[in-house]
Amino acid sequence: DQQVKQNSPSLSVQEGRISILNCDYTNSMFDYFLWYKKYPAEGPTFLISISSIKDKNEDGRFTVFLNKSAKHLSLHIVPSQPGDSAVYFCAASGRTSYDKVIFGPGTSLSVIP
Amino acid sequence: DVKVTQSSRYLVKRTGEKVFLECVQDMDHENMFWYRQDPGLGLRLIYFSYDVKMKEKGDIPEGYSVSREKKERFSLILESASTNQTSMYLCASNWGLNTEAFFGQGTRLTVV
Repeated sequence: DQQVKQNSPSLSVQEGRISILNCDYTNSMFDYFLWYKKYPAEGPTFLISISSIKDKNEDGRFTVFLNKSAKHLSLHIVPSQPGDSAVYFCAASGRTSYDKVIFGPGTSLSVIP
Repeated sequence: DVKVTQSSRYLVKRTGEKVFLECVQDMDHENMFWYRQDPGLGLRLIYFSYDVKMKEKGDIPEGYSVSREKKERFSLILESASTNQTSMYLCASNWGLNTEAFFGQGTRLTVV
């Protein structure tokens, strides 16, 4: 059973508009959440994170929102650029056994020029 | 500049072969991980290690083993490769709980 879910396998957005990527989790023991970006034939790279004591974290064009009661987080990219086209993985870790990081299945974002 | 290096970008092996995937990190990280990435399934954790000679099973350890004899090196071993182990394998490391993980470039393994 997937503990971290990304229900949209793909998303297309016009350049300059907002991209919103969603993630849901089931394990209430998770208390730290991360987003990674992955280009083909490369390893994922860290994008932004949020601790469960916050509900928002912002870094330039990227903002992550956390709704603990709904066990839901989202990544907003504003404005979207063609270089943002990649697969985005949501990940969670926390007070589970040791330091495991659990990843979702990913959402493929295409930003159309 | 932080670095996680995987020994091979592409590998082709025959069914039944013993396969070694090597990973080295230069950041003095405590934790190291092996994931495999398959379409629609995301990154699934095979094994991780939180210290030298220590290892823990992830979500899909069957058919794999690992070795961590030195802090900077974490090896994934396929005891007897099978076609369903054809995948992209990703190594990662981090400092500890609630810290970002750094990934290697991945090894695309094909078992024929």
